[in-house]
Amino acid sequence: GNSVTQMEGPVTLSEEAFLTINCTYTATGYPSLFWYVQYPGEGLQLLLKATKADDKGSNKGFEATYRKETTSFHLEKGSVQVSDSAVYFCALSLFQGAQKLVFGQGTRLTINP
Amino acid sequence: DTGVSQDPRHKITKRGQNVTFRCDPISEHNRLYWYRQTLGQGPEFLTYFQNEAQLEKSRLLSDRFSAERPKGSFSTLEIQRTEQGDSAMYLCASSSGVGEKLFFGSGTQLSVL
Repeated sequence: GNSVTQMEGPVTLSEEAFLTINCTYTATGYPSLFWYVQYPGEGLQLLLKATKADDKGSNKGFEATYRKETTSFHLEKGSVQVSDSAVYFCALSLFQGAQKLVFGQGTRLTINP
Repeated sequence: DTGVSQDPRHKITKRGQNVTFRCDPISEHNRLYWYRQTLGQGPEFLTYFQNEAQLEKSRLLSDRFSAERPKGSFSTLEIQRTEQGDSAMYLCASSSGVGEKLFFGSGTQLSVL
């Protein structure tokens, strides 16, 4: 079946530290890959996406590269801020006609000043 | 653009009661999705509509669950004879078309006692 596995949380870092949140997937076809973020009290928001192998998605200083050979889509940021504290979800979609997303379990990130 | 709104934000009910949630998508978004999220897990797809037509339902959506979008605008999700296992956050999302990004609401938190 189709599934997404994320790095276990919670993750706690100091401000300006380097961030990596690992994400690997299993899919029966060629998925599009996404990172969503959920800030406290808010709905899920699309952070970035990549639709084919070797594509790099980027937004707000975050990056992730679609690695077909390792079935991975790790999220990185070079210098995190307190405002990045949130829950991050990796997801895939196999259906271009509908955004029927398969999510990972989420990783809670806390950044301390 | 006022975003996707869901009502109520919280619902507490007793086992065996019926509950109904409402979702108002972003104006003119023709696709509307329902997801369910349990504690510590990522959201799981339940169903989606294109305009008023319900195009797909997950096997997670037992026959106690019914969703409607009668005029292609707002949607309702009804759960009949609620069970404790129905306790979860119910998320609604909308998009403007094929392959377009999803905008999520803040969800309705259901607690079944």
